[in-house]
Amino acid sequence: ETGVTQSPTHLIKTRGQQVTLRCSSQSGHNTVSWYQQALGQGPQFIFQYYREEENGRGNFPPRFSGLQFPNYSSELNVNALELDDSALYLCASRKSTGGEQYFGPGTRLTVT
Amino acid sequence: QKEVEQNSGPLSVPEGAIASLNCTYSDRGSQSFFWYRQYSGKSPELIMSIYSNGDKEDGRFTAQLNKASQYVSLLIRDSQPSDSATYLCAVGGNAGNMLTFGGGTRLMVKP
Repeated sequence: ETGVTQSPTHLIKTRGQQVTLRCSSQSGHNTVSWYQQALGQGPQFIFQYYREEENGRGNFPPRFSGLQFPNYSSELNVNALELDDSALYLCASRKSTGGEQYFGPGTRLTVT
Repeated sequence: QKEVEQNSGPLSVPEGAIASLNCTYSDRGSQSFFWYRQYSGKSPELIMSIYSNGDKEDGRFTAQLNKASQYVSLLIRDSQPSDSATYLCAVGGNAGNMLTFGGGTRLMVKP
């Protein structure tokens, strides 16, 4: 296990609703990234947080937003859920000076 | 648009054989390269990282990087049925930062 935790494990939401996913980074890691993995595809980068600020963003609309807290934990918020948002959402943490990213177990989101 | 390409497979090898997984990337500025293993229904697990041209060995795994050809590979020696999984190639810029993943190669090791 990596020491990165995520909650909840599974979530079912209805189209149009909002969802918040949570992540606690590995001890000693201050950078958190979020990825979306659709079934049968590789993970896609959503955004990254360092020192409580977003410092990188992939090709995702503004309804995907996030936060990082002083203890380096993080939230991913998705507004106005669409059916295509159904995916495995992965949080990864790393040291600011290191390249390796370690993933948490993920949150499986189903939008109906 | 940064791209990372992998053959989706499945790649089938007999137990004890060498499995060879390949990946190409489009961004010449890429500086960090990673291989992740993902079992069905689980999250990706980091198995190798490589940053400079050449080979890097860790147990049964060897990562190979050729920046001139924009090519990275993973060799798994003495393949075991427990190695059956999807292998994801990921490419990053300076110090890892954002990772761009390939679609993964499904490896099947047959007893």
